Amino acid sequence: DAGVIQSPRHEVTEMGQEVTLRCKPISGHDYLFWYRQTMMRGLELLIYFNNNVPIDDSGMPEDRFSAKMPNASFSTLKIQPSEPRDSAVYFCASSSLGQGEAFFGQGTRLTVV
Amino acid sequence: AQSVAQPEDQVNVAEGNPLTVKCTYSVSGNPYLFWYVQYPNRGLQFLLKYITGDNLVKGSYGFEAEFNKSQTSFHLKKPSALVSDSALYFCAVRETGNTPLVFGKGTRLSVIA
Repeated sequence: DAGVIQSPRHEVTEMGQEVTLRCKPISGHDYLFWYRQTMMRGLELLIYFNNNVPIDDSGMPEDRFSAKMPNASFSTLKIQPSEPRDSAVYFCASSSLGQGEAFFGQGTRLTVV
Repeated sequence: AQSVAQPEDQVNVAEGNPLTVKCTYSVSGNPYLFWYVQYPNRGLQFLLKYITGDNLVKGSYGFEAEFNKSQTSFHLKKPSALVSDSALYFCAVRETGNTPLVFGKGTRLSVIA
């Protein structure tokens, strides 16, 4: 298995622009998580899905953030409009119920200028 | 609510010496505990986990961790450190198999030749 695949690896955008981050989880995994990593706040959970259904989005910082999972093999995290304080590394991870551990993608480094 | 504390931001150790990276946790029930490692510009890699059974858990790259219920700790250890072990280490906890991982702030390990 290729693991969790995220795209793009790097994104530089101007403030106010829409940004879409993409994730393909490991096949057969029924949980998908979006995390954000910053120096100040460490790893924060933004939202997670079970069987494509959002379970807890309380970590989403503002209404500017939205996430979807239209099918078991694809999820997006969208920021509209983006702001400089959104600059961070965004990770997608997936897991299966009986497994315990989550497997992480390589991350998307977002820079908003 | 579940939480993890990694009391040391930085741990320095000489190559060949044993290393310990500390972690304490707080959960309402029986914990699922994990260690991950992050190399520069990479995603998090799973090292080992404790769910049940033997308190000493062995994982990848010669790492092991000891679960201590009375001290609510799950310290990461390795008998002989390598320079290549230098990285950022995260401890994580989840209360059940279907809740998200909650991460500590991370500990930067530096192994000096």
